[in-house]
Parts: sequence; structure tokens; C-alpha cells
Amino acid sequence: SQQGEEDPQALSIQEGENATMNCSYKTSINNLQWYRQNSGRGLVHLILIRSNEREKHSGRLRVTLDTSKKSSSLLITASRAADTASYFCATKDNYGQNFVFGPGTRLSVLP
Amino acid sequence: SAVISQKPSRDICQRGTSLTIQCQVDSQVTMMFWYRQQPGQSLTLIATANQGSEATYESGFVIDKFPISRPNLTFSTLTVSNMSPEDSSIYLCSVEPQTHIYNEQFFGPGTRLTVL
Repeated sequence: SQQGEEDPQALSIQEGENATMNCSYKTSINNLQWYRQNSGRGLVHLILIRSNEREKHSGRLRVTLDTSKKSSSLLITASRAADTASYFCATKDNYGQNFVFGPGTRLSVLP
Repeated sequence: SAVISQKPSRDICQRGTSLTIQCQVDSQVTMMFWYRQQPGQSLTLIATANQGSEATYESGFVIDKFPISRPNLTFSTLTVSNMSPEDSSIYLCSVEPQTHIYNEQFFGPGTRLTVL
């Protein structure tokens, strides 16, 4: 069954603006990971946030995790046209067994 | 991280034929995974392939349709058998390096399969 659910499904912004994508999940997790996929190619691992962490940064990326609400957000600041891609969240359960992907958010950054 | 390569990167196949996809990793990993991504969809796990044991298939996927080999700790193959147009998807190999205790998973570039 699907664990992560993302919203919005599609997001279109202007270059330089910030993009925020949200992910919700249903069961307890060990960690949550965000990935980027360009034009149906392989997935690029962006960031992993553990269940005992609330926020992580990596360059222009900021990820938050709220385990009480079972949700996470990915913020991309000062977006660029090259950020145009699909973004997926995926959760690993407490047993480390199941790694389940959300439906993804298609981000378009317009020049 | 792990560097993963897949062959072929894409293929166009006829209905009823089979295609074997190869996945090569630059380091030894215990756990390898095969995913399918249908057009416009998210990723769905097909099976987990651990070296030295039979692959474990997820609900909806069977060995006869998707046989998997895992001959060593750096290599795996997935075969898509008796293909139909519904098998047109991107197939992705993924690994979970043993050194990453928090279970980061890394993905190959994918194999884009079109079945006519």
C-alpha cells in the first residue's frame, strides 16, 4: 500500500521563487528520504531525515519532518530552471523493511 | 554513496519476447532492489534480491514473469518475460549500501522499456 502522499501533484513557479512540496505518510517510520527525477531518468538522492530529526539542510534544500502530523516538507529556495523535475518522498518503516514512495510532485521552474 | 549502472538504458521490444536488464554496482552491497515506474506514476517495488538467497517478490509480481538473478554482491539481473504493452515502464535498480546505517537507498539511471 502507498505510504507517502505528496502535494501538490504539480507546481509551476518562476525562477528565483521558492518551491515547497509536502509529503504525508500513514505509519511510523525510521526515516524519510527525498529524491529528484529528471525526465524519467534515474532517481537522485537528495536528503534523508531520521525520525528523531526535525529539520535538515543541504545547499538550497530544507527538509522538515513532523512525526506527530506524519508529514514532511521539502523547500527549494531561489529555484532555477534546472530544478525542473519530479520530486518524490519515500519512507522506511521502523523495521527497515519497507521503502514506499509517494506519487511525486512535478515541479516546473519557468525562466 | 554508490555508483550504479544499468544496461540497456532503453529498448523497444516486441510483444511476447523477453528482456534481461543488468545492474552493476561499484561496491559490494547486500541488498539490491528492483522497481518499476509506469508512465507518469511513482515507483513500485518488484522484488528484493539478496546474494545467496532467492529473491523476495512483492504482491502482484511473480518469479515466472520477473525472474531475478543475484550471482554476487555487485551484480543483479531482472528479466521481463513474455512482454506485453502493459510492461512498458522504466525499470530501476536500487541498492542499500551496508555502510549507511540509516538505510539510504541509491538508484541506477533506469532502463526505459517500450513494448510494441
